[in-house]
Amino acid sequence: GNSVTQMEGPVTLSEEAFLTINCTYTATGYPSLFWYVQYPGEGLQLLLKATKADDKGSNKGFEATYRKETTSFHLEKGSVQVSDSAVYFCALSINTGRRALTFGSGTRLQVQP
Amino acid sequence: GAVVSQHPSWVICKSGTSVKIECRSLDFQATTMFWYRQFPKQSLMLMATSNEGSKATYEQGVEKDKFLINHASLTLSTLTVTSAHPEDSSFYICSAQNRDRGDTEAFFGQGTRLTVV
Repeated sequence: GNSVTQMEGPVTLSEEAFLTINCTYTATGYPSLFWYVQYPGEGLQLLLKATKADDKGSNKGFEATYRKETTSFHLEKGSVQVSDSAVYFCALSINTGRRALTFGSGTRLQVQP
Repeated sequence: GAVVSQHPSWVICKSGTSVKIECRSLDFQATTMFWYRQFPKQSLMLMATSNEGSKATYEQGVEKDKFLINHASLTLSTLTVTSAHPEDSSFYICSAQNRDRGDTEAFFGQGTRLTVV
């Protein structure tokens, strides 16, 4: 079956620190990979995505590269801000059928000023 | 952008009662809506896929008589938790796909925290 494993949180960083949240996956077929973010009191928002191997998704200073050889999609940001404090979910969908998402457990990021 | 509104955001109900959760796509038509459930410190787990005008498809292990899903229009899907029990307490999230976009993105509601006492 399909599964996503991401690092447990919370991750606590100081402002301007470098962020990495690890995500690995197992999948049958050829998945698309996603990072979603959930700010307090809000729904999940798509942060970035990659649909094939070696693609790099990027948005708002966040980046993640689809690594087929290591089945990974690690999220990185060079300099975090307090406003980045949220829960981050790694997810995949198989590019056929219903396109339902398989999620990781989420990683809470807390950025301190 | 596409907006999905989920209501209520939180609800407390007595054991044995039923609770209805609504998921609306506000500015697009959603032929498919998904319902997820999240236990504390766990992943979002897909419960069912809801297609407009047809019966929902439930994931293995999800009781369809307990979690009633209705998708009567292109902008509204409802999840009713019937005869709720404390073990049904969880965070429920819906997502909707925009058929006009034709890509892999899904848009999420803000979730509903259900507490059964």
